[in-house]
Amino acid sequence: NAGVTQTPKFRILKIGQSMTLQCTQDMNHNYMYWYRQDPGMGLKLIYYSVGAGITDKGEVPNGYNVSRSTTEDFPLRLELAAPSQTSVYFCASSQLKGPNTEAFFGQGTRLTVV
Amino acid sequence: AQSVTQPDIHITVSEGASLELRCNYSYGATPYLFWYVQSPGQGLQLLLKYFSGDTLVQGIKGFEAEFKRSQSSFNLRKPSVHWSDAAEYFCAVDNDMRFGAGTRLTVKP
Repeated sequence: NAGVTQTPKFRILKIGQSMTLQCTQDMNHNYMYWYRQDPGMGLKLIYYSVGAGITDKGEVPNGYNVSRSTTEDFPLRLELAAPSQTSVYFCASSQLKGPNTEAFFGQGTRLTVV
Repeated sequence: AQSVTQPDIHITVSEGASLELRCNYSYGATPYLFWYVQSPGQGLQLLLKYFSGDTLVQGIKGFEAEFKRSQSSFNLRKPSVHWSDAAEYFCAVDNDMRFGAGTRLTVKP
């Protein structure tokens, strides 16, 4: 099973450039999440989605956009990259709320904005 | 809004010693609680979770955690640490998966 797949694994962007971080899961999970991880700051929730067509802001949504046109895919878009967006980004997915709720994580995308 | 706090940024223990990592949450009702581990350069892996029932939960790799409602805590424990346990550990709360800042564990030989 592939689980949660993120691409690319590494990327260097120039200030002002745009890019899309891809995330796809093959577990038919309804919930999907995007996090950023900065040293000493843990994981901060950027956006999440409870199902296709439904997205909502997390703790740190500014500078990012998401869409959820299918159950499988949850891309994260950076429109105007800034140095403050240098981070490691993780995508995760989980089933609906309930005792089996466990988030499965991708391997991460390391983004550097210069 | 619910939140989770991990008071210890970095902990160092000797191999074979016992370990306790602290996690405190702030929430009106009993939340769903999780502990995840992140090895260097890797994604996160679930260690254990608590939803209801027995307040002492067993997880993978010999870890356990105890939910204490009166203290709003969900501390992670292991009786004897192995060098391979060196990693970063995250506590998370509820279904929108808000994470604590993490505790980095170093294991001394």
